[in-house]
Amino acid sequence: GEDVEQSLFLSVREGDSSVINCTYTDSSSTYLYWYKQEPGAGLQLLTYIFSNMDMKQDQRLTVLLNKKDKHLSLRIADTQTGDSAIYFCAERDGGSQGNLIFGKGTKLSVKP
Amino acid sequence: NAGVTQTPKFQVLKTGQSMTLQCAQDMNHEYMSWYRQDPGMGLRLIHYSVGAGITDQGEVPNGYNVSRSTTEDFPLRLLSAAPSQTSVYFCASRSGWGGVNIEAFFGQGTRLTVV
Repeated sequence: GEDVEQSLFLSVREGDSSVINCTYTDSSSTYLYWYKQEPGAGLQLLTYIFSNMDMKQDQRLTVLLNKKDKHLSLRIADTQTGDSAIYFCAERDGGSQGNLIFGKGTKLSVKP
Repeated sequence: NAGVTQTPKFQVLKTGQSMTLQCAQDMNHEYMSWYRQDPGMGLRLIHYSVGAGITDQGEVPNGYNVSRSTTEDFPLRLLSAAPSQTSVYFCASRSGWGGVNIEAFFGQGTRLTVV
């Protein structure tokens, strides 16, 4: 079945760039997402990319998609302490229901 | 605009007890779903619904029942709680289930402990 993999932890210094990586298995996925979860809260959509795109930039966020390798990354420029959270990669499965399949989440810690 | 509302926020159950986690959305979304979040496991889909009267199983449906009698509400029932159901439960909704509908909106979660 479909699977989404991402590393569990990332630690960076304030002001540095953070890069969170993700791999997925469903080549028929139409959309790929990055969700952010702050402590004790639900998930909020951070950004998304359509499968026919290679890159999407939104202020400090850059999403890169390598469809051949089924690899997705999220780069956060000038990382701030407020960016500390768990970041989930998700793919929309290729079936008609479009269920979201999540990775295990990467916990980003930003040190001052 | 309340979005997706889950109640309760916290619950402690004894093994064998039953309870219903409530989820309501006020965005007239057709698609609603329940996930559970466990440490190191990410979010796993329990059940989902693409409209009133229609439900289907996700990845981990055992021990849970759902129904969808209205567009707004999608309750999750635990018939006989087990310690393995200790988790954080999230409800999510989305406009439509296919096509270009992009964003799923999540509730704040229900933290359930079964002792």
